[in-house]
This record gives sequence, structure tokens and C-alpha cells, in this order.
Amino acid sequence: DAMVIQNPRYQVTQFGKPVTLSCSQTLNHNVMYWYQQKSSQAPKLLFHYYDKDFNNEADTPDNFQSRRPNTSFCFLDIRSPGLGDAAMYLCATSRVQGGQPQHFGDGTRLSIL
Amino acid sequence: AQSVTQLDSQVPVFEEAPVELRCNYSSSVSVYLFWYVQYPNQGLQLLLKYLSGSTLVKGINGFEAEFNKSQTSFHLRKPSVHISDTAEYFCAVNRMDSSYKLIFGSGTRLLVRP
Repeated sequence: DAMVIQNPRYQVTQFGKPVTLSCSQTLNHNVMYWYQQKSSQAPKLLFHYYDKDFNNEADTPDNFQSRRPNTSFCFLDIRSPGLGDAAMYLCATSRVQGGQPQHFGDGTRLSIL
Repeated sequence: AQSVTQLDSQVPVFEEAPVELRCNYSSSVSVYLFWYVQYPNQGLQLLLKYLSGSTLVKGINGFEAEFNKSQTSFHLRKPSVHISDTAEYFCAVNRMDSSYKLIFGSGTRLLVRP
């Protein structure tokens, strides 16, 4: 089945130690998104790629970076994780046309020690 | 600017009872509307969407939603819930003039009790 896969499902890192989360898709969608979701809250969009064009949300901290080396893969890099970055990180994809739903991976739960 | 309001943060209901989860939105332009479900420790799964046409939309797992343009609402309903429907439900909108960003409501936790 075509899908969005996130690895790892659970990630533990130390305060200040860089961490990378990965996402891959077999849907061949143009757009890939990264969301941060804290407990009992809606997902918060961090940034998205339309093909290779990177679009950062205005309130996304500089600590968060992303790479999309090809259509299928997208990475979220957190350069110096703080305790407040502990959250579920969700990757999603969609076609670029309006009204197309986003397809989500199962997320990576990040813990900071 | 758009906003999505889910009026109830939590809805407790007994198994086999009907349920309605409320969603209202505001937008200066026309929007597409979506309901997503999130089970514990999983991503979001599309339940249903409204793009155009019939205002009553049927989705997966027996859910349906009705678009009401005059009231700017898109309430989700199910006539008889199961324990397995316990999850977080998010309403979301997508501006018709903005191809892909979703604006989410704050979510409603549906808690189905035996």
C-alpha cells in the first residue's frame, strides 16, 4: 500500500544534542509537511516543501531545519533540542491541488533527557 | 484569516448512543472542509471531506458530516458509536485560493464508555 513512513517511531535524545527525524513516502506527492504536536493539542505546521521549494512558517524557531533530497524523502533536523521540543512530530504529504487531503505518517515521539 | 472552532474539548458518550461533534469555521473565502481522526500514538487519518455538491458527506467507519454554509458549520455525526471510536477528532479547513495548507481546530476527544 502507498503510504507515509516515519522513522523512528520513538526517539530519545539529550538536551542540546542534534537529532534527525526521517519521513518517506510512496505516494509521489509534490508537497511534504512537518508538524509538531504537543499533548492534547492540534498539529502545528513547522514548514513544508512544494517539490524542492522550502516554505517556513513565520513562528518556526531557527532550531528546526529540514531537508528534502528527493521526492520520496524529507528530514527534520533539530539542531539543539530543548525540553520544550519534546513532542510528537508528524510528517504528511499531499498533491498540490486544492481540496486534496493530507496523508499522515504515524509520527515520531521525541523525548528529551 | 481563517479559524476553526471545535466547541467541545471532550465528549463522553455511552456505547451505541448517537454522537455529534461540532465544528464551526470563519473564512473570508470559500473553503474545503475535512474531518480527521487520531488514535493514540498514531498519525491523523482522513474520515471525510467536503469539496462541493451534496452538503451531506459520508465517510469511513459510519461517520457523516453536514456542511451548512449559512451557519459556517461542518458537524460530524455517527448514529451509534463503538468503544473503538474513542479517539481525538480534528476538523480542518483549506482555503480554495491556497492550495494546500490546513487550518486545524483544537480537537475534540470522543470518549465512548461501555
